[in-house]
Amino acid sequence: DIQMTQSPSTLSASVGDRVTITCRASQSISSWLAWYQQKPGKAPKLLIYKASSLESGVPSRFSGSGSGTEFTLTISSLQPDDFATYYCQQYNSYSRFGPGTKVDIK
Amino acid sequence: QVQLVQSGAEVKKPGASVKVSCKASGYTFTSYDINWVRQATGQGLEWMGWMNPNSGNTGYAQKFQGRVTMTRNTSISTAYMELSSLRSEDTAVYYCARGHYTAPSPYWGQGTLVTVSS
Repeated sequence: DIQMTQSPSTLSASVGDRVTITCRASQSISSWLAWYQQKPGKAPKLLIYKASSLESGVPSRFSGSGSGTEFTLTISSLQPDDFATYYCQQYNSYSRFGPGTKVDIK
Repeated sequence: QVQLVQSGAEVKKPGASVKVSCKASGYTFTSYDINWVRQATGQGLEWMGWMNPNSGNTGYAQKFQGRVTMTRNTSISTAYMELSSLRSEDTAVYYCARGHYTAPSPYWGQGTLVTVSS
């Protein structure tokens, strides 16, 4: 089984900040990684797939990078709507989600 | 537009089984796979498995092997996830999502809360 880790688990930031979240896989997953945003009581929202491809309709302040075992999600200028929990998901071998990173208000 | 509408909340006793449905509309049901993901209260997302509605082929996360069964009824464009031998740790919101194999998807159901309590 491929294990996923994320860091940090919680991130306190202010509107306008540049935010970076890291996701690591226990073995190479090539670029088969997605990022989701989730708000309380809602289904996850797909932001990024194949490590760096932006899902249609997602603001360009979100970007993804990486390959192999290390990946990052960057929000270039944090907006009020971006305070949420973010999950990475590998889909190289079946699927597994990372434990999540909560972005809250500083 | 693509919609996945799930069945309502369930309360079950430990040891029982639960069957959650996911009705698809707005696309050809047999053209896309269905994944099931769950989330315990205050916890992260957990991938449970995948089903191809055309062939009926399935693949389950090791954790759920032997306890989960994913099926479908193509005549009513509905996928099902049945979890047996329920325990309190299975209390969670269960989601279905449309995709290609286990690939990520922008299309998710609204979630079904399953509560396991004596």
